[in-house]
Amino acid sequence: EVQLLESGGGLVQPGGSLRLSCVASGFTFNNYAMSWIRQAPGQGLEWVAALSGSGTNSYYTDSVKGRFTISRDNSNSTMFLQMNSLRADDTAVYYCAKVPAILPLYFDYWGHGVLVTVSS
Amino acid sequence: EIVMTQSPVTLSVSPGERVTLSCRTSQSILSNYLAWYQQRPGQAPRLLIFSTSTRATGVPARFSGSGSGTDFTLSISSLQSEDFAVYYCQQYSSWPRTFGQGTKVEVK
Repeated sequence: EVQLLESGGGLVQPGGSLRLSCVASGFTFNNYAMSWIRQAPGQGLEWVAALSGSGTNSYYTDSVKGRFTISRDNSNSTMFLQMNSLRADDTAVYYCAKVPAILPLYFDYWGHGVLVTVSS
Repeated sequence: EIVMTQSPVTLSVSPGERVTLSCRTSQSILSNYLAWYQQRPGQAPRLLIFSTSTRATGVPARFSGSGSGTDFTLSISSLQSEDFAVYYCQQYSSWPRTFGQGTKVEVK
């Protein structure tokens, strides 16, 4: 059974940093791309970043380029999202999602999400 | 960026009814690279359909997807109580990946 467990969320001040983690199980982690998707309170879904199975190719939405970094540790089946220079509009539930291919496509499994609140 | 527009925003229906949700894209979607997700209150999204019309594992046959180019549809043949939720379309034809704003299917 595929399981994705996010952690690392919380309250942070504007301009601060936070690192999210996603531990995966139930599949061969390095064979699949992974992604982060967020949902602001009461809003829709927004794709944030994606990383190929090897970790070689990364992709970002424009609003987080230069501030967020996606990475993975295939030996420990874990994906990360380093978030710097956080802003109020980064406040959201962040979901870790698995892609059913080596390169990012759609998302076949999702974690339960972790809340990030950016506020002073 | 491909803009995804879903309609209607809210759909009020009774159990057993057939529903049709629309997703229009600002540019043609290559290779029918379009997916649909269901999100129940307080839950993570769940993949329903990929490649426009292929049901994901475990998705009931009452869900079906169709369309091409810039016009796509998700249909639910006979609405069950567990189908009242928000539905999102998503394109994976180009970067950045984008979602529609969602259609909420609520009890009439």
